[in-house]
Amino acid sequence: GAGVSQSPRYKVAKRGQDVALRCDPISGHVSLFWYQQALGQGPEFLTYFQNEAQLDKSGLPSDRFFAERPEGSVSTLKIQRTQKEDSAVYLCASSLEGTSSGNTIYFGEGSWLTVV
Amino acid sequence: SQQGEEDPQALSIQEGENATMNCSYKTSINNLQWYRQNSGRGLVHLILIRSNEREKHSGRLRVTLDTSKKSSSLLITASRAADTASYFCATDIRDTGRRALTFGSGTRLQVQP
Repeated sequence: GAGVSQSPRYKVAKRGQDVALRCDPISGHVSLFWYQQALGQGPEFLTYFQNEAQLDKSGLPSDRFFAERPEGSVSTLKIQRTQKEDSAVYLCASSLEGTSSGNTIYFGEGSWLTVV
Repeated sequence: SQQGEEDPQALSIQEGENATMNCSYKTSINNLQWYRQNSGRGLVHLILIRSNEREKHSGRLRVTLDTSKKSSSLLITASRAADTASYFCATDIRDTGRRALTFGSGTRLQVQP
């Protein structure tokens, strides 16, 4: 596709529910990132994939968060037993290569999660 | 935790004026990037400056980088109402295994028509 596509755009979940957020990166992009952005704050890193390999998951806040990219393209971020503090915008981004080479990262519009 | 801190947190100016936003960071970097985010939207890349560069221009944008002070500034000249958005600096930290950018907390710019 032309850009990074995320779905759903908006999700309201009851506390304790599981949610799955999908990211469709730009075709051919090797690197894929997930970020969490609380209201009024900058994005916080969650996890990074290079193709299908999850090379860095140091930003995942708890073991309730799980991400996968099984075929090296589409990625899913799953949050189990959602809590109110999980309410945030979840941003997916992709780039041709990693950031150390100065490649531009392209962001999706985000999935807005509200846990009630 | 966030690597960068933007200053000011919020800025309100009149159309036609210049807007200057500053970013400070804590560790050595490979490069620094500036992003823009309209309300409710994703982030859009504006400009990248490498650690061996001191200044870069792109249209109405001018970015400076001072690695000795670990700071950067973004200048938007002749601002327009359409420049109203949040602006974030993001750093690619050197000497770590992390390949993702680390973002600051942002400056919310309001340009009054």
